[in-house]
Amino acid sequence: GESVGLHLPTLSVQEGDNSIINCAYSNSASDYFIWYKQESGKGPQFIIDIRSNMDKRQGQRVTVLLNKTVKHLSLQIAATQPGDSAVYFCAENMVAGNMLTFGGGTRLMVKP
Amino acid sequence: DSGVTQTPKHLITATGQRVTLRCSPRSGDLSVYWYQQSLDQGLQFLIQYYNGEERAKGNILERFSAQQFPDLHSELNLSSLELGDSALYFCASSSVGGASGELFFGEGSRLTVL
Repeated sequence: GESVGLHLPTLSVQEGDNSIINCAYSNSASDYFIWYKQESGKGPQFIIDIRSNMDKRQGQRVTVLLNKTVKHLSLQIAATQPGDSAVYFCAENMVAGNMLTFGGGTRLMVKP
Repeated sequence: DSGVTQTPKHLITATGQRVTLRCSPRSGDLSVYWYQQSLDQGLQFLIQYYNGEERAKGNILERFSAQQFPDLHSELNLSSLELGDSALYFCASSSVGGASGELFFGEGSRLTVL
């Protein structure tokens, strides 16, 4: 399949372990922070978002944490599976425009 | 399957040429976005259309233009192509009432400029 071949930081985890992917954002005025997953040969896929007035939000096997004091966002994946292998992007959004600004991405590799 | 369709999937052309990338948004989505993904730049926002009107502009070069037609499909035109324009071009769509930040991306058009 297609691969962008981005020069990205890589996180390698064992299947079944928990994964934590971190992101630093820049715009204090952003209203939403979002995580996207991009598998090889595919477009980015929405995972979870969090509003700026929250500090934690949980989904199915995923948790997003927001620390506005240090402008830090993290995505925690529980019991990581081979299907979680992908590039993960954080993104910021201001509601007015729904225009996403993406971070640089982290490649997650899950070892069986 | 996101419901967003992009054509062509692959395109190889020469410097100086012009190409058109096409996008059909999800049924009912009024907003269309174009993003460029290259090796060293990650995902860069180019332009957004809402119901046929330009809504927001990002780092889109003057050699690039886009439009959204009455049937809501969109086209991205890239002209006077340079080697550095080689990239994946993604189209995304969203609904008016969609969750903020939830865009639905197509599978992209890979442009190679030789």
